[in-house]
Amino acid sequence: LAKTTQPISMDSYEGQEVNITCSHNNIATNDYITWYQQFPSQGPRFIIQGYKTKVTNEVASLFIPADRKSSTLSLPRVSLSDTAVYYCLVGGFSSNTGKLIFGQGTTLQVKP
Amino acid sequence: GAGVSQSPRYKVAKRGQDVALRCDPISGHVSLFWYQQALGQGPEFLTYFQNEAQLDKSGLPSDRFFAERPEGSVSTLKIQRTQQEDSAVYLCASSFGLAVADTQYFGPGTRLTVL
Repeated sequence: LAKTTQPISMDSYEGQEVNITCSHNNIATNDYITWYQQFPSQGPRFIIQGYKTKVTNEVASLFIPADRKSSTLSLPRVSLSDTAVYYCLVGGFSSNTGKLIFGQGTTLQVKP
Repeated sequence: GAGVSQSPRYKVAKRGQDVALRCDPISGHVSLFWYQQALGQGPEFLTYFQNEAQLDKSGLPSDRFFAERPEGSVSTLKIQRTQQEDSAVYLCASSFGLAVADTQYFGPGTRLTVL
């Protein structure tokens, strides 16, 4: 299963764009890239998922280069409420069960 | 319901006691997962159900851990003879279908503290 590497923590200010990059050098051909967000005392929440190029939804954008060995989650104009832990998951889908394999995640602190 | 619910939200047990944690998935969701999250760590997979069938229990840390989903909806995670190392947040997630890329919806978790 592909291992992911992402920064342990990041700081930002309200209104800024935040980019969190995840490395996954051993990604397999049929692997998706998925990002989850987790607030304290809550379960993780799906943010976005992609396979290649760029995906955008109402919350974030996900940029994936052609070699797929990394991906970048982009959060536009963050607010204090975006302070959370962000998990990058790759190859976390077993062929049978779909179980997710989380790393330590990136703790994003948004300051006023 | 609107989302995945779990009960109790908090549980304190004395070492050696048995505990039962309940998960109510989103209605109609076929797949159900249990995860364990230690403080400061990401969630770790415990077990997976497809309807009432437990298809993967490779993540259960010991034979003291047991999960069931007898009617394919509500699930219970039972921990026998609790130990201090069992202290963690136990998360339940459900997904609509069987595709491995289906979005998983998580409940708020049950925080278990073993004294």
